[in-house]
Amino acid sequence: NAGVMQNPRHLVRRRGQEARLRCSPMKGHSHVYWYRQLPEEGLKFMVYLQKENIIDESGMPKERFSAEFPKEGPSILRIQQVVRGDSAAYFCASSRDRDEPQHFGDGTRLSIL
Amino acid sequence: AQKITQTQPGMFVQEKEAVTLDCTYDTSDQSYGLFWYKQPSSGEMIFLIYQGSYDEQNATEGRYSLNFQKARKSANLVISASQLGDSAMYFCAMRDRGSTLGRLYFGRGTQLTVWP
Repeated sequence: NAGVMQNPRHLVRRRGQEARLRCSPMKGHSHVYWYRQLPEEGLKFMVYLQKENIIDESGMPKERFSAEFPKEGPSILRIQQVVRGDSAAYFCASSRDRDEPQHFGDGTRLSIL
Repeated sequence: AQKITQTQPGMFVQEKEAVTLDCTYDTSDQSYGLFWYKQPSSGEMIFLIYQGSYDEQNATEGRYSLNFQKARKSANLVISASQLGDSAMYFCAMRDRGSTLGRLYFGRGTQLTVWP
């Protein structure tokens, strides 16, 4: 499967724990985007990264959330000290170029107990 | 202000009929891109079709076509010959210069149900 790979597909955490979501872009894609989808809503942009650089993090909460896209390995979205309101589907997308269509992974469904 | 507006929370269409899903957008940029994505009940997001603001022809991809009316700022998705497997949530999205490049703005979606 040459598509965008996200794991895990489902993640359950207790309040106060850390959640780590992984995204491997499509082959040849160096632009990665993270979006969050709350129930009954469209996707909301969180952060845009290129290899080793954060281009735009204006959609990401200032506290507890961070993202990285290292030179080697997948992009990681990290949520520290999770709260109930973090429960959502988190989607990663990638593109070859900024102006190309974004292709999405299957998402990670995060549930907070 | 909403960048993307999808006014139809739900639409119903009979199998083999055509259906139009509405999308209007708001931008002051001259250069922008419009996208449609499909989200089945299994949850993944599937890219369907893209229209650039400078494209003179309406985009088509198989049974999907985009009715692009620039002056009205609308980018409606037309699905011809609907199939049962078309039942899903459909999202319209836009990318413009805005405050940053790259991010997509999504509408709230339209739930399409195809009945036999």
